[in-house]
Amino acid sequence: NAGVTQTPKFQVLKTGQSMTLQCAQDMNHEYMSWYRQDPGMGLRLIHYSVGAGITDQGEVPNGYNVSRSTTEDFPLRLLSAAPSQTSVYFCASRSEWTEAFFGQGTRLTVV
Amino acid sequence: GNSVTQMEGPVTLSEEAFLTINCTYTATGYPSLFWYVQYPGEGLQLLLKATKADDKGSNKGFEATYRKETTSFHLEKGSVQVSDSAVYFCALFGGAGSYQLTFGKGTKLSVIP
Repeated sequence: NAGVTQTPKFQVLKTGQSMTLQCAQDMNHEYMSWYRQDPGMGLRLIHYSVGAGITDQGEVPNGYNVSRSTTEDFPLRLLSAAPSQTSVYFCASRSEWTEAFFGQGTRLTVV
Repeated sequence: GNSVTQMEGPVTLSEEAFLTINCTYTATGYPSLFWYVQYPGEGLQLLLKATKADDKGSNKGFEATYRKETTSFHLEKGSVQVSDSAVYFCALFGGAGSYQLTFGKGTKLSVIP
């Protein structure tokens, strides 16, 4: 089992550019989430999904979009990158009966 | 809403020392509680969990007991090793209307030989 796969692992963007962080899971989990991790802030929830076609905002959604067209995939889109979005991004998935499984993270730098 | 408060780090210990990382929570209903560990450059891995009051989670020598009366889930290990150096996150899931994990801010542990 691959578990939760995130791509890319590293990315540098210029201010104003857009990009999509990919997340895929092969465990048939209903719930998927995106977090950002910043020093001293722990993990903060950006967006989450409770199933295909259903998404909702977390704690820090501004500047990010998500969609969930399939159970497996949950991409995170940065619409117009800003230096404040420099962070490490983690995707996670879980079912109703399991703990959350995390991807290896994407380290994003916006210059 | 739900919240998790864990002790600030960083924590530096000598090998074989006793470890305690405090974690308290606020939640409605009956949440499940977790400790996750993040080794340098990696994602988060589940270390242990407890799903109801008085449950004790344990793994790799680490333990934590779900104390509803004190709303706590403190992480302990009797003898730490250099390989335990990592960031530890306390988290909860559940309670009314909750669909996602709520994390503490993390505690960085460094174990020196």
